[in-house]
Amino acid sequence: QKEVEQDPGPLSVPEGAIVSLNCTYSNSAFQYFMWYRQYSRKGPELLMYTYSSGNKEDGRFTAQVDKSSKYISLFIRDSQPSDSATYLCAMSAPSGGSNYKLTFGKGTLLTVNP
Amino acid sequence: DTAVSQTPKYLVTQMGNDKSIKCEQNLGHDTMYWYKQDSKKFLKIMFSYNNKELIINETVPNRFSPKSPDKAHLNLHINSLELGDSAVYFCASSQVTPQETQYFGPGTRLLVL
Repeated sequence: QKEVEQDPGPLSVPEGAIVSLNCTYSNSAFQYFMWYRQYSRKGPELLMYTYSSGNKEDGRFTAQVDKSSKYISLFIRDSQPSDSATYLCAMSAPSGGSNYKLTFGKGTLLTVNP
Repeated sequence: DTAVSQTPKYLVTQMGNDKSIKCEQNLGHDTMYWYKQDSKKFLKIMFSYNNKELIINETVPNRFSPKSPDKAHLNLHINSLELGDSAVYFCASSQVTPQETQYFGPGTRLLVL
């Protein structure tokens, strides 16, 4: 079983829809949970990060972590065509000393149609 | 101002050649990384340096050798290029914080013919 599993999609939704993106993980050592967004032909950029179980909201984006189920989600409300991108979940665990290593999911390609 | 920059953006070369990719960050970060993103968009860490010291070295062929002349630069040299090396290579940097907010460069698209 891979450490981080993410449905690659593609996911196509109409503008204004609520989008739900999900990842599961198997490594209990993961402590921090992040969502990165990657536009076509660009590098990934951090959208949100969370540490504890629960919800974290930032504008139209809500990140949810359920450590007991090893499941994280990203919700996008009122989706816009500009949200069309690949969304990658990422999780970090200690890798020795004060260093952390990030493990990415495979990414979900989202298209929001006007 | 570009926070993390990479050169070149595109690299087309023949099998067996040796090539280098350069990365520079002006964020004052202590840690830099090289990632490989394959055709299926899977992003996998290759190396990580903290203050010029190698701290993560994933299972990467010896043909790949990173070099960090100072903490703002991390270069990647690849010997005897193979077809399977074709991918997008991303450089990233971060402070050594638990949440590991990493800032990525624009990527170098390598095509080996």
